[in-house]
Amino acid sequence: AQKITQTQPGMFVQEKEAVTLDCTYDTSDPSYGLFWYKQPSSGEMIFLIYQGSYDQQNATEGRYSLNFQKARKSANLVISASQLGDSAMYFCAMREVISNFGNEKLTFGTGTRLTIIP
Amino acid sequence: AAGVIQSPRHLIKEKRETATLKCYPIPRHDTVYWYQQGPGQDPQFLISFYEKMQSDKGSIPDRFSAQQFSDYHSELNMSSLELGDSALYFCASSFTSREAFFGQGTRLTVV
Repeated sequence: AQKITQTQPGMFVQEKEAVTLDCTYDTSDPSYGLFWYKQPSSGEMIFLIYQGSYDQQNATEGRYSLNFQKARKSANLVISASQLGDSAMYFCAMREVISNFGNEKLTFGTGTRLTIIP
Repeated sequence: AAGVIQSPRHLIKEKRETATLKCYPIPRHDTVYWYQQGPGQDPQFLISFYEKMQSDKGSIPDRFSAQQFSDYHSELNMSSLELGDSALYFCASSFTSREAFFGQGTRLTVV
């Protein structure tokens, strides 16, 4: 079963508008973490934001915020005031603890390609 | 701040050759992950280490092996390379189950 689902393969957004990238996840583990990464055409994987399953407040990092709805198992990324430099591939990922020894793995969604239009 | 360092950045190998990719995690990070990302694909988990012990294996071929050394750096060894092994290989590290940071990746091309 797909652990991380990103239903938007591509999005086009006007510069300066806000954009929401969708991510839903599936886990039965009470302890998990959710990540968003940006991958520009250069290929590097840039960490944007993290939300722990026990965090009470939604995570925010500058123009990025994570709309965490635990009951709905969704962790949407919101980018405010989009810029041309935001054009990239965006991946949602989930970390699950897979053993009592703290072993973990990160599972990625298929990504959303965001294009900002001037 | 120190980031995850991967070397080399680019590597070209012929079929059936061997490649070794290196990863230097952020100091004091206790977990290292290796991922493979094919063209137009999402990153696929290969293997991870927690405190130098292998913790999980994903879709890693038997031709691949990895280890983490006493100084916490990790190496991914790939033998009998095939054309399909051409991909971007990422290493990531994290500490105490919080943010995981990726290196810039090694782009392997098998010809």
